Amino acid sequence: DAGVIQSPRHEVTEMGQEVTLRCKPISGHNSLFWYRQTMMRGLELLIYFNNNVPIDDSGMPEDRFSAKMPNASFSTLKIQPSEPRDSAVYFCASSLTGGGRTEAFFGQGTRLTVV
Amino acid sequence: GDSVTQMEGPVTLSEEAFLTINCTYTATGYPSLFWYVQYPGEGLQLLLKATKADDKGSNKGFEATYRKETTSFHLEKGSVQVSDSAVYFCASTGANNLFFGTGTRLTVIP
Repeated sequence: DAGVIQSPRHEVTEMGQEVTLRCKPISGHNSLFWYRQTMMRGLELLIYFNNNVPIDDSGMPEDRFSAKMPNASFSTLKIQPSEPRDSAVYFCASSLTGGGRTEAFFGQGTRLTVV
Repeated sequence: GDSVTQMEGPVTLSEEAFLTINCTYTATGYPSLFWYVQYPGEGLQLLLKATKADDKGSNKGFEATYRKETTSFHLEKGSVQVSDSAVYFCASTGANNLFFGTGTRLTVIP
């Protein structure tokens, strides 16, 4: 398996523009996580899905952020409109949760810069 | 609620020194525990794990023992190398979630 695949690897956009980050989890995994990493705040969980259903989105910073998982092999994180403070590395991770025993596998991340 | 607390860094060691990074967890039930490592410019990679009390996870010379009595999972390595320089994250499973510590940056100097 190729692992968790994220695209793009790097994104530079102007303030106010819409940004869409994409994630393909490992085949067969039933949980998917979106994290944001910054120097100031470290690694923050934004949202996680179980069996394509959003379970906890309390980490989503505000209404500008939205995430979808239309099927088991694809998820998106959208920011509209983007702001400079959204600049961060966004990671997607997937796992096979059966009693919460298994580890999560991370993608390489998308480095977002909003200017 | 469930959470993980790990030693704040940064930690700077000389090559071949002994490493300990402390990690404690708070959980309802019996979580699985993990250490992840993040090298510069990369995502997090699983370093080692333990799924029940007294289990010892080990990989690449790193070890951590699941201590239920002290709710701890401290990471240790007897002799660090320059190539071990990275950020280390302790993590604990919840019902369907994964809780991470804030990360500890390790720098090993020759």
